Amino acid sequence: EAQVTQNPRYLITVTGKKLTVTCSQNMNHEYMSWYRQDPGLGLRQIYYSMNVEVTDKGDVPEGYKVSRKEKRNFPLILESPSPNQTSLYFCASSRDRNQPQHFGDGTRLSIL
Amino acid sequence: QQQVKQSPQSLIVQKGGISIINCAYENTAFDYFPWYQQFPGKGPALLIAIRPDVSEKKEGRFTISFNKSAKQFSLHIMDSQPGDSATYFCAASIGTASKLTFGTGTRLQVTL
Repeated sequence: EAQVTQNPRYLITVTGKKLTVTCSQNMNHEYMSWYRQDPGLGLRQIYYSMNVEVTDKGDVPEGYKVSRKEKRNFPLILESPSPNQTSLYFCASSRDRNQPQHFGDGTRLSIL
Repeated sequence: QQQVKQSPQSLIVQKGGISIINCAYENTAFDYFPWYQQFPGKGPALLIAIRPDVSEKKEGRFTISFNKSAKQFSLHIMDSQPGDSATYFCAASIGTASKLTFGTGTRLQVTL
């Protein structure tokens, strides 16, 4: 089954404790991206990757890092999480930049 | 700065009725306009999309109407069903399906 898998699905943590949200896709997609979803703001893109070792900032990259060492994986790293990063996070992938994105089921992060 | 404005924020429609969600954009360079449907606990899923060379696109009960001069586009759901109850997001992008700017979302409830 074609899917985008995020882990964990839920996480409560404290300010300053580094965390990583993993994202993996099994569709051999070139393009992957991360979004955060906040009430009243819709989805906003954090980072995206056009292919292995190619990443770029989206609209709200501050406080986040990403890496793309393998085609299937695109982890989101919060080096020093803060409460304003409490949000619902989605990873997405597409075959290339002109194809529709497939979204994972989300990771709800609460940072106290 | 909200580049894609979506309304209403929430909508209640009776079964069999027509649901209408509107979006307005500012950037005239946008050339791809998708609508995403999101159920609770799930990621957004592409519902239907349009490019500005057509004024309307229909897929089953779902229709996008596009008004280039007014910089507006809307989603019409005909014969709305309780299973259509979800949050709907409009989005827009330039030259690619991947670098999306989302609206703020509309929570649709279809009552019996």
